[in-house]
Order: sequence, then structure tokens, then C-alpha cells
Amino acid sequence: DTAVSQTPKYLVTQMGNDKSIKCEQNLGHDTMYWYKQDSKKFLKIMFSYNNKELIINETVPNRFSPKSPDKAHLNLHINSLELGDSAVYFCASSQGAGTGNAFFGQGTRLTVV
Amino acid sequence: DQQVKQNSPSLSVQEGRISILNCDYTNSMFDYFLWYKKYPAEGPTFLISISSIKDKNEDGRFTVFLNKSAKHLSLHIVPSQPGDSAVYFCAARGSNDYKLSFGAGTTVTVRA
Repeated sequence: DTAVSQTPKYLVTQMGNDKSIKCEQNLGHDTMYWYKQDSKKFLKIMFSYNNKELIINETVPNRFSPKSPDKAHLNLHINSLELGDSAVYFCASSQGAGTGNAFFGQGTRLTVV
Repeated sequence: DQQVKQNSPSLSVQEGRISILNCDYTNSMFDYFLWYKKYPAEGPTFLISISSIKDKNEDGRFTVFLNKSAKHLSLHIVPSQPGDSAVYFCAARGSNDYKLSFGAGTTVTVRA
């Protein structure tokens, strides 16, 4: 029973398209995240929601819009995809701030052609 | 600006020997540190953590050491096994932080 699941695992799309990545967690956590792993393999925070409220919004283009319909779900919608958006996107969840581990989904490899 | 640094991109070790992975940080507000392990095409999985009030935490073959004055931590794997071959990420957060700041990762290869 997967704790943090995201779909799809692979996504290949053309420049200019709009796409969404979905994430669900069944751990009962109150905080969810989107991280991006770029070509240099760095994992960088993009967004975080705590109890459906946006609490972290790093410097990310406006084309990226997260949506949290409830505490267990955090989706990522990307408009007008660009070549530079190609990366692996990881969803994660945790309980609260400070100590406590973040649990990650398997990742979505997005390739923009 | 990378606040967590793993300066060794790769490490090769013989099976049965010790693997030592190093991590440095610059943000003095960090007080909780984690190591994650990642296999190809999978998400990072939590391995071990340490709070800043401790200098050592051990879990089976994995031990993490923290030197706060040097802003340095290390992960020891003893003995190394072939299944330990993966990318290891060091991560850190402050007590009021939600997000984790990650290092660039170290790829460990355990040779038979």
C-alpha cells in the first residue's frame, strides 16, 4: 500500500502544452510538497501546503500552479510547457515542521520536446 | 545558494568495508539532519536522522555523526553491502522549517 503515490510516472509532451501531475498520500500527514530534481540532480523545493494552505512558494514561474483539494492530495499543473521544465518532479508529505521525516513519491519524469 | 553540500559526487567501496559519506552545511539555524537513499527511477527513502542535541545516532549498520561546531555530518555504513549501491542525499531543516534543504547527493557503488 503506497504511502505517497504520484501519477503519471513518465510524461512526454510538446512545448506549449498544459499538463498536470497528481499526488496522493495515505499517511494522514498535514503537509505536502513538490520538489524538482533538475539535470544536476539537485532536489529543490517548489511548493508546500499545510492543511490545504500554501506555506512555501519558492521562486517558480507562474506557469506552475499547485492545487490542494484536501490534505491528502496535492496536484501540480503546468501551463505552456517549456524545454527547461524537463526534470523529475517529486511529491512528498510530512507531519508538521521541524523534526519529522518527509516521505517521497516515486517521481514523475517530465520530458518536454 | 547551496546551504547543504556533499562535495564527493561518488564513492566506490568494497563489499564488507566501511562507507563514509560526508556533508557540510552553512545555515546555523539547521538543527535536524537526515540522510535519504535513492535508487534509480524511485523516490528518496528515509534512512536515518539526527537532532542537533545529539552527536551520534545509530541504526543497525548505519551511523550518523554530527559535529555542530564544524557544521559537518557524516554517514557511516558498516559493513557495506551490494544493496547499498545507491545515491545518498544529505538534508537539513530548522526547527520551524517545513522544507528540507538537500545536498547534491553522493553515488555509492559497492563492489563485490
